[in-house]
Amino acid sequence: ILNVEQSPQSLHVQEGDSTNFTCSFPSSNFYALHWYRWETAKSPEALFVMTLNGDEKKKGRISATLNTKEGYSYLYIKGSQPEDSATYLCAPIKDDKIIFGKGTRLHILP
Amino acid sequence: GAGVSQSPSNKVTEKGKDVELRCDPISGHTALYWYRQSLGQGLEFLIYFQGNSAPDKSGLPSDRFSAERTGGSVSTLTIQRTQQEDSAVYLCASSGGSTKGYTFGSGTRLTVV
Repeated sequence: ILNVEQSPQSLHVQEGDSTNFTCSFPSSNFYALHWYRWETAKSPEALFVMTLNGDEKKKGRISATLNTKEGYSYLYIKGSQPEDSATYLCAPIKDDKIIFGKGTRLHILP
Repeated sequence: GAGVSQSPSNKVTEKGKDVELRCDPISGHTALYWYRQSLGQGLEFLIYFQGNSAPDKSGLPSDRFSAERTGGSVSTLTIQRTQQEDSAVYLCASSGGSTKGYTFGSGTRLTVV
C-alpha cells in the first residue's frame, strides 16, 4: 500500500493571493508522480507528470516541484483566480500502479 | 477515439438489478483504471488493467463487482444486485504509460433507488 498524504485537506485563498500545498509519499522505489486538477462536475485533468528529483514543472500560474529523496512534492499557484477553485490530486506511481491522494480542495474567495 | 468515452453518462436503476458500465479508452493505451467517487468522497480505486497482465482487482468492494477488458481495449464494469451504497460516479481512465498523464472519461453517474 502506498501511503499518500496531501495537506491541507481544504484551503480558502483570497483572489490574487498565491498559495501552495503539499503531497507526501514514501520515497522508496519512486517511479513518477502526477498532479491532477479536478473541478466539480468534471473529470480529473492531468497537470504535471514528474519523474526526476529536483524536477520543476510550470503551466501558466501553476508550478510544481519534486523531492524524491525525502518524498514530497509542492504545488504552487501564483495570483489565484476564481477558475483555480478545484480539488488538486497528487498521484505517485509505484510498481506501475497509480495511487491517488485524497486531494487538497482549494476555494478562491472573491 | 480522441478521448476516453464512457456510457451511459447517467443510469438510474432499481435496487437488486444488475448494471453494466462501459469504458472505451484512447486507442493504443495499455493501462485502464476504474475508480468511483461517492458523494463527498475522493477517488476510490476499483480495478486496474495493464496490457495482457492479470488485472489488479484489489479495490473491488464486493463480489457483486466484476470487470473485464476485451481485446485490450473496451472495458465493462458490471455490478450485480445493485445496492443503494453503490450510487456514485464511476470514472474510467487510460494511459499509454506511467510517465504519461492519465486521461479520464466523463464518468457514469449511477443512482440506485
